[in-house]
Amino acid sequence: DGGITQSPKYLFRKEGQNVTLSCEQNLNHDAMYWYRQDPGQGLRLIYYSQIVNDFQKGDIAEGYSVSREKKESFPLTVTSAQKNPTAFYLCASSKSLGREDQPQHFGDGTRLSIL
Amino acid sequence: AQSVTQLGSHVSVSEGALVLLRCNYSSSVPPYLFWYVQYPNQGLQLLLKYTTGATLVKGINGFEAEFKKSETSFHLTKPSAHMSDAAEYFCAVSAPTFTGGGNKLTFGTGTQLKVEL
Repeated sequence: DGGITQSPKYLFRKEGQNVTLSCEQNLNHDAMYWYRQDPGQGLRLIYYSQIVNDFQKGDIAEGYSVSREKKESFPLTVTSAQKNPTAFYLCASSKSLGREDQPQHFGDGTRLSIL
Repeated sequence: AQSVTQLGSHVSVSEGALVLLRCNYSSSVPPYLFWYVQYPNQGLQLLLKYTTGATLVKGINGFEAEFKKSETSFHLTKPSAHMSDAAEYFCAVSAPTFTGGGNKLTFGTGTQLKVEL
């Protein structure tokens, strides 16, 4: 079955620590996205990538970093500069460039908490 | 810039009753509109989408939505609620605002649907 795999499902961060959330897709999609979800605020875009070795900041990129070395993979690092990292993080992908009518497909999320 | 407003952060219905979840959008260009459902601790699943053509769109699990340009609305309905419909529902709008392609989705803040016996 094609889909998006996020790991781990639950993650805990200590003060001053960087943590990396994994996102892998086998849908052969070009575009990938990271969202942050907080109660009552919907989804907010952190970073997105249209193609390998290229990515762009979204609406709330401060304190986060990403890489896109392979088409299938788009890991998100939550750095120590992100002072309020507790949230539910969702990774998504969509089929191709310039196709705004194509839906995004989502993974099952990673819940990050502060220790 | 595009935006989405979902009226009512919480909606409660009785099992078997009509479900109506409201979504209004703002977009300077013809929009693409989506409804997603999210169950606890899971990702979002596409319910239905409007791109072009017929304004009444049917989706999975018996849901449908009607695109009304004059009202800038895309309300989600289901004739008869089932206990399994209890979840959070998100309306989203897409428009060609990205440079370089792709599709940026702007989400509403969500509506939590509760279904009571």
